[in-house]
Amino acid sequence: DQQVKQNSPSLSVQEGRISILNCDYTNSMFDYFLWYKKYPAEGPTFLISISSIKDKNEDGRFTVFLNKSAKHLSLHIVPSQPGDSAVYFCAASDSYGGSQGNLIFGKGTKLSVKP
Amino acid sequence: DAGVIQSPRHEVTEMGQEVTLRCKPISGHNSLFWYRQTMMRGLELLIYFNNNVPIDDSGMPEDRFSAKMPNASFSTLKIQPSEPRDSAVYFCASTGPPSASPRDTQYFGPGTRLTVL
Repeated sequence: DQQVKQNSPSLSVQEGRISILNCDYTNSMFDYFLWYKKYPAEGPTFLISISSIKDKNEDGRFTVFLNKSAKHLSLHIVPSQPGDSAVYFCAASDSYGGSQGNLIFGKGTKLSVKP
Repeated sequence: DAGVIQSPRHEVTEMGQEVTLRCKPISGHNSLFWYRQTMMRGLELLIYFNNNVPIDDSGMPEDRFSAKMPNASFSTLKIQPSEPRDSAVYFCASTGPPSASPRDTQYFGPGTRLTVL
């Protein structure tokens, strides 16, 4: 049973346009969410995070939105650049699980930004 | 800091052989995680340690898999005997204490690509 779902395996966007990557979760105990980016032959790298007390967090071209009632979060990249082409993983954690730093990952969405 | 270090980067072995993957976490980090990535299952957590103690190994697929963390700077993941279905990329990640910011951020190594023939 997947607790974190990324229903779109892939997404293709034109350079300069907005990329929107979506993530849904089922566990209402999750209170912290992260996005990771992964290039081929490299490990995932942390991109941006959001606490459940917020509904938006912005860092440069990257913005994460959280809708707790819908158990949905999204990552917006504006404007998209060819270097953003990578696999993006959504991850979630809860502070009540007693397990420090244990993240539940989605299966990832492969973003392709075309010049 | 050099980041999380994994070795080897690539491993090709034959079915039935023992395979040992190694990981050095970031200095000062007190939690270590082993993941397996496949096309079908994405990133699966195999086991994680907190202060060198295994906390949850429910993701370890079978008794053929074992992991150890003898000290704060070294961990191994062993597969014995290996099978073709074990072929995957294995990642190690570490994270700092609860006071670290941003919270729960795991730092990943480059991975070991394992091929079992």
